[in-house]
Amino acid sequence: DAKTTQPTSMDCAEGRAANLPCNHSTISGNEYVYWYRQIHSQGPQYIIHGLKNNETNEMASLIITEDRKSSTLILPHATLRDTAVYYCIVGSPGSARQLTFGSGTQLTVLP
Amino acid sequence: DAGVTQSPTHLIKTRGQQVTLRCSPKSGHDTVSWYQQALGQGPQFIFQYYEEEERQRGNFPDRFSGHQFPNYSSELNVNALLLGDSALYLCASSLASGGYQETQYFGPGTRLLVL
Repeated sequence: DAKTTQPTSMDCAEGRAANLPCNHSTISGNEYVYWYRQIHSQGPQYIIHGLKNNETNEMASLIITEDRKSSTLILPHATLRDTAVYYCIVGSPGSARQLTFGSGTQLTVLP
Repeated sequence: DAGVTQSPTHLIKTRGQQVTLRCSPKSGHDTVSWYQQALGQGPQFIFQYYEEEERQRGNFPDRFSGHQFPNYSSELNVNALLLGDSALYLCASSLASGGYQETQYFGPGTRLLVL
């Protein structure tokens, strides 16, 4: 699986958009970008995934660059409950693929 | 719709003992994966079970074993516990239908402390 690079930590003001970047320059053609988040001491929570088109769901938007070497997760109106570690994971589709978590980005939403 | 459930929530054992952790997958899911998360680190893949067989395994010793039952629930067993086995153990379930829909959904985890 391709390796990902994320900033260690980020802050965001409550009510503002949180933009979390992820670099995955070695991504291959059939690999998806998955985002999970983990609130302190809880299990990771699935957020969104995409292949090459931008994706949006009730939680977030995922913007993937045209060359697919990087992506940005956008939380449009961050709340204090969005404070968590956000993991960007790249892998082939299918549950046969183990998720390889990196260190993630600690997002802190400030009041 | 119940999500992934795990039991117990917390557990304390001593070195050398054996432990069994349990997981019930999300309704409709047939695949269970187990992860170990040490303090301050991301989860590490242990193994995955599908159709009652271990389908894939991460870099963990044979002291870690598992089982999947006909109702798709699963157990993780760890023998000869070491202090380094202290961690949050996470179970994730998914549906092996192929394609990108096989999103893994995680349970709340079992926190194991080995003294």
